Amino acid sequence: GAGVSQSPSNKVTEKGKDVELRCDPISGHTALYWYRQSLGQGLEFLIYFQGNSAPDKSGLPSDRFSAERTGGSVSTLTIQRTQQEDSAVYLCASRRPGVASTGELFFGEGSRLTVL
Amino acid sequence: AQSVAQPEDQVNVAEGNPLTVKCTYSVSGNPYLFWYVQYPNRGLQFLLKYITGDNLVKGSYGFEAEFNKSQTSFHLKKPSALVSDSALYFCAVRGPEGAGNKLTFGGGTRVLVKP
Repeated sequence: GAGVSQSPSNKVTEKGKDVELRCDPISGHTALYWYRQSLGQGLEFLIYFQGNSAPDKSGLPSDRFSAERTGGSVSTLTIQRTQQEDSAVYLCASRRPGVASTGELFFGEGSRLTVL
Repeated sequence: AQSVAQPEDQVNVAEGNPLTVKCTYSVSGNPYLFWYVQYPNRGLQFLLKYITGDNLVKGSYGFEAEFNKSQTSFHLKKPSALVSDSALYFCAVRGPEGAGNKLTFGGGTRVLVKP
């Protein structure tokens, strides 16, 4: 597709269950970010992938959170043993190559996670 | 560490009046600054960016922003607001190459333009 695609758009789960959120970046974009947007809050950085380099995981809030990016394209964010405070909109963004610091991010519409 | 402050949670303005959304930042070295807009139930969309050069940058939908190094500010402006400009606006900053890849966002400012 032309834009960043995220699925599911909405996910309701019970506390303690694991969830997987998927991001399909724009074709050819080598950088991929995950952010979290809680209700009424700004965007919280989670993790960053750039090509084959080791990801920047400095924003992951706990070891229940992990992410991978297979084949330099699709990424999956996994949250294990979900807690109510994990409820948020999880946003994925990608950036085209060759514009590192100066390039703008292209965001998906997000996956809204509700933990009951 | 880099940070962004958007001091106003909400800005109300009448249609046709000037709109200003404030942003101040803190970063080591020369900043790269961005504004994004989020319409209801949509992802963030890029509006404009400052990398280098002229302090006044122009972006999408008639928006512009002025970089002020001495005041570490990057306020977003529009001379004449439209009802359709009602949305959530985010300012973001990142440091120069080698300073990390994280784009740090402010808490957002909700703009409400009344007819």
